[in-house]
Amino acid sequence: KAGVTQTPRYLIKTRGQQVTLSCSPISGHRSVSWYQQTPGQGLQFLFEYFSETQRNKGNFPGRFSGRQFSNSRSEMNVSTLELGDSALYLCASSTGDLYGYTFGSGTRLTVV
Amino acid sequence: AQTVTQSQPEMSVQEAETVTLSCTYDTSESDYYLFWYKQPPSRQMILVIRQEAYKQQNATENRFSVNFQKAAKSFSLKISDSQLGDAAMYFCAYRRLIQGAQKLVFGQGTRLTINP
Repeated sequence: KAGVTQTPRYLIKTRGQQVTLSCSPISGHRSVSWYQQTPGQGLQFLFEYFSETQRNKGNFPGRFSGRQFSNSRSEMNVSTLELGDSALYLCASSTGDLYGYTFGSGTRLTVV
Repeated sequence: AQTVTQSQPEMSVQEAETVTLSCTYDTSESDYYLFWYKQPPSRQMILVIRQEAYKQQNATENRFSVNFQKAAKSFSLKISDSQLGDAAMYFCAYRRLIQGAQKLVFGQGTRLTINP
């Protein structure tokens, strides 16, 4: 059974650009959550999608957005990149029940 | 809002020894889930153990066990017979017991080093 796949693994972007990260959940998982991990702020919840609908959202500016497709794959977009957006972005999928998350290996985004 | 605190930024232990990682949390809710996750250099967060707050019995998973003190809002992780593969960042996390509330609140993490 394939795990949660995040692409790309590494990404380098310039300030002001935008970026799209992808997450393919475990087959049958309908919920996808995104987290940002930085040395200073730790792990912070970005948002969660369930059956193509955003169900929860963290305290991030509107430059951070996402979507989920009918096959449950999710994308996260960050526009007008800032140096502070440099982080490891982790995706987690679940069936949407009360517990049971599986995380991917993340995308390391560096903004220069 | 719920918060999770891990007061030990780093811990080290000799191989085959036992180590305990501390975690405290703050919540006004009576029912919730608590988790310990492990993050090795591969970056993937791996679930180590979970505890439902309504269960009085402490969870155990092979060499990993927790000491859940609900009144004290404490949730420590004990690793017995430490192995080199246990070296990683360990995160304590909280989740509300509400259908649809998928958000995990994480502590700052504890870096565990295993000395051979």
